[in-house]
Amino acid sequence: DAKTTQPNSMESNEEEPVHLPCNHSTISGTDYIHWYRQLPSQGPEYVIHGLTSNVNNRMASLAIAEDRKSSTLILHRATLRDAAVYYCILSYSGAGSYQLTFGKGTKLSVIP
Amino acid sequence: DARVTQTPRHKVTEMGQEVTMRCQPILGHNTVFWYRQTMMQGLELLAYFRNRAPLDDSGMPKDRFSAEMPDATLATLKIQPSEPRDSAVYFCASRISGANVLTFGAGSRLTVL
Repeated sequence: DAKTTQPNSMESNEEEPVHLPCNHSTISGTDYIHWYRQLPSQGPEYVIHGLTSNVNNRMASLAIAEDRKSSTLILHRATLRDAAVYYCILSYSGAGSYQLTFGKGTKLSVIP
Repeated sequence: DARVTQTPRHKVTEMGQEVTMRCQPILGHNTVFWYRQTMMQGLELLAYFRNRAPLDDSGMPKDRFSAEMPDATLATLKIQPSEPRDSAVYFCASRISGANVLTFGAGSRLTVL
């Protein structure tokens, strides 16, 4: 499985933008880039995903490097509720297989 | 919002006892996953099913764990006999085949004494 590398932890001030980086230098052409987050005592929650182009939804934006070897999850205005562990995951979806393998993620702390 | 429902939310049992965890996937979702989360190992994929058929259970200790889908609305994960090292939070997740979004349940926290 292609691997991702994320910082162990990051801090942000409330109401400031947050850029969470992810490196995936061994990504293959069919791998999607997914982001999930896990709030304390809850199950992981889908945030966003993309293949090649930048993506926006109501929760966040995903910026994908042109060579696809890295990506950045952007929270436009951090709130206290955004404090969570954020996972960057590559998935392969082909030959009937679909799996998400979670790494350690980035623990985001939001400072009031 | 549609939810994945897991029961029980908490379970404390003694070593050697049988434990069964249940999951009701979102209606219409035909792919179901079981994950286990511990502080040491993080989130690990144990098994997954599509259209009730097991596709991959290579992450599951075969001697004591078993996973089934008796019908499309119920997935079960059974541990027999349970051991203290099985203490973890077990998550179920579901998706529609072809979709890129996995929806997780709230988890079942298992403590084996």
